[in-house]
Amino acid sequence: QVQLVQSGAEVKKPGASVKVSCKASGFNGYYMHWVRQAPGQGLEWMGWINPKNGSNYAQKFQGRLTMTRDTSANTAYMELGRLTSDDTAVYYCARVPAWGMDVWGQGTTVTVSS
Amino acid sequence: QSALTQPPSASGSPGQSVTISCTGTSSDVGAYNYVSWYQQYPGKAPKLMIYDVTKRPSGVPDRFSGSKSGNTASLTVSGLQAEDEAYYYCCSYAGSNKFVFGTGTKVTVL
Repeated sequence: QVQLVQSGAEVKKPGASVKVSCKASGFNGYYMHWVRQAPGQGLEWMGWINPKNGSNYAQKFQGRLTMTRDTSANTAYMELGRLTSDDTAVYYCARVPAWGMDVWGQGTTVTVSS
Repeated sequence: QSALTQPPSASGSPGQSVTISCTGTSSDVGAYNYVSWYQQYPGKAPKLMIYDVTKRPSGVPDRFSGSKSGNTASLTVSGLQAEDEAYYYCCSYAGSNKFVFGTGTKVTVL
């Protein structure tokens, strides 16, 4: 069964980092994108990582966002640092075989609070 | 990169059609035929409905169709059904390996 399963909810303090995992099953080797959604807000594209560990990030996250993947575990990771309350959101990973995000993870809620 | 502009809401009665616009610039929507559309129910992950402006993934009803003219892409839902009531987001490739989403539209079935 083709699916993406993400790690559980996180609560972090301002200034900390969070690392979210996204385990793929039923496929491997695709581009993976990360998208977030703040409470009551729309979708925001964060970046992607390709099968060869190349990555590209949205300008606003440059310097505090890192995407990696463990090919042997068929898992992608998204790490966001220097968290503020504005980073409170649901974070999604999504598979991109061509030009559409066709398989999504269930989402990981990250709450940043002192 | 600014978000693509969508109307906040759209509505129609069952059986009618509703069209949602997605306006970008000549650097994103207008430059590439890589616009996709997503349906999202509250508390759920988005679902791909249209990709490459007009293509439907397997399993998406043909009531959903996409088009583009200039810097504006559109999603049309024909024969509205109660289950179509959801939020819809467009997304476009914006060059330099970047993507941008639209602001989102809530579709209400009256």
